[in-house]
Amino acid sequence: DIQMTQSPSVLSASVGDRVTLNCKASQNINKYLNWYQQKLGEAPKLLIYNTNNLQTGIPSRFSGSGSGTDYTLTISSLQPEDVATYFCFQHNSWPLTFGSGTKLEIK
Amino acid sequence: EVQILETGGGLVKPGGSLRLSCATSGFNFNDYFMNWVRQAPGKGLEWVAQIRNKNYNYATYYAESLEGRVTISRDDSKSSVYLQVSSLRAEDTAIYYCTRWSVYYGLGHWGQGVMVTVSS
Repeated sequence: DIQMTQSPSVLSASVGDRVTLNCKASQNINKYLNWYQQKLGEAPKLLIYNTNNLQTGIPSRFSGSGSGTDYTLTISSLQPEDVATYFCFQHNSWPLTFGSGTKLEIK
Repeated sequence: EVQILETGGGLVKPGGSLRLSCATSGFNFNDYFMNWVRQAPGKGLEWVAQIRNKNYNYATYYAESLEGRVTISRDDSKSSVYLQVSSLRAEDTAIYYCTRWSVYYGLGHWGQGVMVTVSS
């Protein structure tokens, strides 16, 4: 199975900060990497698909990058409504696997 | 508007079985693969199963940790997908989400989830 390791597990930042969340796969996942945002009590929501494609309706302050085994989600200017847990997800090979999540907080 | 609604959750005794249902609307169900993903309380997300559409002979895929205890199925005439889970254990306690899969972007739209609690 491909293991997905996210870091940090908790990130505290100020409104307006540029924040970067990391996701590392245990083997090459060929950019088949999605990012999901989950707010408390809600279902996850797709933000970025296939490494760097912004899902329709998602603010442009969210962006993704990476290749091979290393991927990042960047929020260019953190907003209060971005408080959530962020999960990466690989769909390159079976079984499909998620990272354990990064909880993003506002300082 | 895409709508996905899961039902069938509840309290089940260890060793019991449960069938979850997922009713969809707002898109051509026949064109999409469907998945179940679960989330134990306070934990991360775990992909459970996928069923492909008629063009792919309704092929199914399962998480190894659950294989043998779960069966995913679909009824295209009802735009619905189902998850049968047997020999339930306490560790199966989770919110179970029904999700639509796009060949372009993977897991896209999610339902609100249904809670399954396994306890005596």
